[in-house]
Amino acid sequence: EVQLLESGGGLVQPGGSLRFSCEASGFTFSGYAMSWVRQAPGKGLEWVSSISARGGSTYYADSVKGRFTISRDNSKNTLYLQMNSLRAEDTAVYYCAKEARGGITIFGVVSMGNYYYYGMDVWGQGTTVTVSS
Amino acid sequence: EIVLTQSPATLSLSPGERATLSCRASQSVSSYLAWYQQKPGQPPRLLIYDTSNRATGIPARFSGSGSGTDFTLTISSLEPEDFAVYYCQQRSNWPLTFGGGTKVEIK
Repeated sequence: EVQLLESGGGLVQPGGSLRFSCEASGFTFSGYAMSWVRQAPGKGLEWVSSISARGGSTYYADSVKGRFTISRDNSKNTLYLQMNSLRAEDTAVYYCAKEARGGITIFGVVSMGNYYYYGMDVWGQGTTVTVSS
Repeated sequence: EIVLTQSPATLSLSPGERATLSCRASQSVSSYLAWYQQKPGQPPRLLIYDTSNRATGIPARFSGSGSGTDFTLTISSLEPEDFAVYYCQQRSNWPLTFGGGTKVEIK
């Protein structure tokens, strides 16, 4: 069974740091790009960050650029999100998601590494961070 | 950044009725648009990718259409399990963006 299991959430003070982990199983983790998406309480979905299959390319939303770092350890089938300088507006459920891979990179569609990706087809259950003093 | 505007914000329908959800992009995304369904307390689920392709296991009552800047998700006959929030997402440019969502509720 394809599965993503997030961990690392909690309560943190403004300006603090936290690291999320997302352990993958049931698929060849090293073959797929991965992403983090968050959802503030009662709000919609917001893309946070993505990383290519081998980890050589990373992408960030402007709202987290310079504060968050996405990484992966393919030997451990694990995706990470290091969050620094946390703000109240970072309070959300954070989901990790597997990217559904299409073919070789084509013009006009987001690509990571040598492939384009057309959606997020597997999601974790989410982990929550609350940033509050 | 490509802004996606979904309408209506809420759709009140009865089981068996047809649902038509709209997603408009601030600039062309060609055909690179996906749709997700989210139920309370659950993560999103990929329904449609590349405008009109159903993801694995998605029933045929879900269909997508459109191109460029205007897209539609249609649920031909609502089942009780279809009442949820639906989001569109563009896959054309970084940053990836989602629409604000359409809630399909029971009338």
